[in-house]
Amino acid sequence: AQSVTQLDSHVSVSEGTPVLLRCNYSSSYSPSLFWYVQHPNKGLQLLLKYTSAATLVKGINGFEAEFKKSETSFHLTKPSAHMSDAAEYFCVVSDNDSWGKFQFGAGTQVVVTP
Amino acid sequence: GAGVSQSPSNKVTEKGKDVELRCDPISGHTALYWYRQSLGQGLEFLIYFQGNSAPDKSGLPSDRFSAERTGGSVSTLTIQRTQQEDSAVYLCASSPRGLSEAFFGQGTRLTVV
Repeated sequence: AQSVTQLDSHVSVSEGTPVLLRCNYSSSYSPSLFWYVQHPNKGLQLLLKYTSAATLVKGINGFEAEFKKSETSFHLTKPSAHMSDAAEYFCVVSDNDSWGKFQFGAGTQVVVTP
Repeated sequence: GAGVSQSPSNKVTEKGKDVELRCDPISGHTALYWYRQSLGQGLEFLIYFQGNSAPDKSGLPSDRFSAERTGGSVSTLTIQRTQQEDSAVYLCASSPRGLSEAFFGQGTRLTVV
C-alpha cells in the first residue's frame, strides 16, 4: 500500500525568500516520487521526479527535492520564490505494488507576496 | 508531438443523463489513467489501463462509472445516470510505462445541473 502526506495545505512566502513544501510518503516497495504543479485553470505539469537514481533531484524553474529514505520524505525546495510560483503543488508516489498507480497528496497551495 | 488530448473541455448535462468523456493519450504510451479533481477533494484515482486491460478499477466510485480503452490508445470514461456529486474536472494521463512520469491532459470540466 502507498500513501502520501503533504504536511502543509497552505504556504505563504515573500518574493525572493526560500520555499519549502513538505511531503512524507509510505510505500511497500521502492517508490518513484514526483512533484507536480498546477497553476490556476491549468493542467498538471511535472516539476521533477525521483526514480532510484540520485537522491537530490533538480527540476524545472529552479526547484529541487531530496529523497530521504530514512525519513520517508521528499520535500520540495526553491532558494528564491518568484511571483509566478504561486500555484498548487502535489507530491505523488508510485510503486511496483500498485501497478503504477499514482497516489496524489492533498496538495499545498502556495501564495507569493510582493 | 501532441500531448494528451481530452474532449470535450467542458460539458454541462442534466441530472440523470449519460455522458462520455474521451481521452487521446500520447502516441506509444502504454499506460493510461483517469483521475477526478473536485473542489476541496484533491485528485482522486479512478482507473488505470495497461494496454487495453484495466488491472486496477478500484477507484471507480460506483457501478454508474465505466471505462474502456481500445487499440491500446483512445479511452472513454462513461458516467450513466449522472448525479450532481459527479460534477468535477476529469483528468486523463498517460505514461510510456507504469512507473514513468504521467503526462496530463487539460481535463474535462463536467457540470451536472
